[in-house]
Amino acid sequence: GAVVSQHPSRVICKSGTSVKIECRSLDFQATTMFWYRQFPKKSLMLMATSNEGSKATYEQGVEKDKFLINHASLTLSTLTVTSAHPEDSSFYICSARISAGVGEQFFGPGTRLTVL
Amino acid sequence: GEDVEQSLFLSVREGDSSVINCTYTDSSSTYLYWYKQEPGAGLQLLTYIFSNMDMKQDQRLTVLLNKKDKHLSLRIADTQTGDSAIYFCAAEGSGTASKLTFGTGTRLQVTL
Repeated sequence: GAVVSQHPSRVICKSGTSVKIECRSLDFQATTMFWYRQFPKKSLMLMATSNEGSKATYEQGVEKDKFLINHASLTLSTLTVTSAHPEDSSFYICSARISAGVGEQFFGPGTRLTVL
Repeated sequence: GEDVEQSLFLSVREGDSSVINCTYTDSSSTYLYWYKQEPGAGLQLLTYIFSNMDMKQDQRLTVLLNKKDKHLSLRIADTQTGDSAIYFCAAEGSGTASKLTFGTGTRLQVTL
């Protein structure tokens, strides 16, 4: 149980285009989902916290207009990287918290974004 | 904010025990986690410990928590080559935000 999926697993796009990444909790409801960014050989940096039905809370330094987050249902959150640039290339990982859980987050497999 | 530190690299021989250490700064952290990340993959939760515990054992894994020193360790007994990965500790803050702050990750290399 507690499986989180991400789609796509890899995406390559041209500079200036927008890319949408989906995060789904497959067998549980998640009122809260988190989006992280991981640079090569680095730790995970929290980008934003997404609560179902409300606006996402972004961490300091993360541009909300560039990284659009939508948490439309208890099982789906999306991250859209708008007008992508090469410096946005990274590994993006989402996690989901079981709504009635003790705080454990279950992580998706990650999405490798490469912007040319 | 919370700061979580780990050593970057650990090399052990197959069959030996591995000990990965982690320090954190926020004494109000409620839960502390250990995650494993294999190359190109997401994070796999290995184990976690509540802040009012000082030890937790789960098969080959033993977590020790010294809350006074804000020090957490993960011991892997009988380390296998399949244990080679990056190990992250993470501290969960108190309050409704309950965000995780991750350490820098420790790369464990298991040699024959």
